[in-house]
Amino acid sequence: DADVTQTPRNRITKTGKRIMLECSQTKGHDRMYWYRQDPGLGLRLIYYSFDVKDINKGEISDGYSVSRQAQAKFSLSLESAIPNQTALYFCATSEPGYGYTFGSGTRLTVV
Amino acid sequence: GDSVTQMEGPVTLSEEAFLTINCTYTATGYPSLFWYVQYPGEGLQLLLKATKADDKGSNKGFEATYRKETTSFHLEKGSVQVSDSAVYFCALTGIGSARQLTFGSGTQLTVLP
Repeated sequence: DADVTQTPRNRITKTGKRIMLECSQTKGHDRMYWYRQDPGLGLRLIYYSFDVKDINKGEISDGYSVSRQAQAKFSLSLESAIPNQTALYFCATSEPGYGYTFGSGTRLTVV
Repeated sequence: GDSVTQMEGPVTLSEEAFLTINCTYTATGYPSLFWYVQYPGEGLQLLLKATKADDKGSNKGFEATYRKETTSFHLEKGSVQVSDSAVYFCALTGIGSARQLTFGSGTQLTVLP
């Protein structure tokens, strides 16, 4: 099994719908992150969490929310999806001295 | 804030050609520097890293040297292969308590046989 698993891998949704992207990890790391990748812009940080009681906004948190259900699970929600949220979304974990481990990504299309 | 500026792509090379992808950064103090690679349809994988000035990171024939004086971390490979075709990201973690990764915009490399 992959160290960081994201579901779904691909999703097409309509404007205005609520959608949740899920991430689970088996690394045992406390730190988890959600990034968004757009062509020509690299990866930008949406939210990050250092433990289940610690949630922080990243560079581009507007229109998103997160939930850290357990050390191993970190979900990203789009409360009301809009077309410019069409992107590739990555979850990652890290631990000091161990670097980052990324999931395989969720490709989200909002029509 | 911290930022990373990367050479714009796409870059197309013939097999066995020499590769350089430029990366410069802006950060306070001494950040850690990374190169990540993203193969088609996959997530990001750490390619190499350097944590202090003059360190050289290397892996799979790729190298990059942490140059504090020029705030650079250019990626090089002496002889690329078709299997090196991917998107390459330069990134850093700053000295703040969060130490989250800040990425460059990515460079698409295509190697032709």
